Amino acid sequence: KAGVTQTPRYLIKTRGQQVTLSCSPISGHRSVSWYQQTPGQGLQFLFEYFSETQRNKGNFPGRFSGRQFSNSRSEMNVSTLELGDSALYLCASSLQDMQETQYFGPGTRLLVL
Amino acid sequence: GQNIDQPTEMTATEGAIVQINCTYQTSGFNGLFWYQQHAGEAPTFLSYNVLDGLEEKGRFSSFLSRSKGYSYLLLKELQMKDSASYLCAVRAPSGGSYIPTFGRGTSLIVHP
Repeated sequence: KAGVTQTPRYLIKTRGQQVTLSCSPISGHRSVSWYQQTPGQGLQFLFEYFSETQRNKGNFPGRFSGRQFSNSRSEMNVSTLELGDSALYLCASSLQDMQETQYFGPGTRLLVL
Repeated sequence: GQNIDQPTEMTATEGAIVQINCTYQTSGFNGLFWYQQHAGEAPTFLSYNVLDGLEEKGRFSSFLSRSKGYSYLLLKELQMKDSASYLCAVRAPSGGSYIPTFGRGTSLIVHP
């Protein structure tokens, strides 16, 4: 059974640009959660999607958005990038809900210059 | 606001038992997660506690007391590979959502 995959693995952008990150969950998993990890703020929850609907949303500005497709694959988008958006972005999938066993992808490391 | 406290660092000996504590003050409570994260890797989900008491999963156990705002992760028969950061996160209602807030993590060093 393939694990959670994230693309791209590394990304360099400049301030003001936008970026789209992709996450493919484990087959059969319908819940996908996104997290941001930085040395300064630690691990923070971005949002959770289930059946193409955003079910939970963390305390991030509207520049951070996401969506989920009918095959449960998910994307997150960050518009008008700021230097502080440099981080490791992680997604995790679970069968139905984030309180069940979550499986994390390797993450996308984003550097904003 | 939500406040999650964990010790910054702990050391223990291979084969021993270690208890990593987590205390929290949150507006509401929906459950508590424990994760393990090795340096340079993604987190691994360890447990999710909703009810008071101890839950055991092999060498790892997690305890929750909602009235005390307290949880601990117990690691038995420590192995060198258990050297990692252990993250506690509390899920609580916020603006119509139920979101986890993470502690800063406890770095566990296991030595021979």
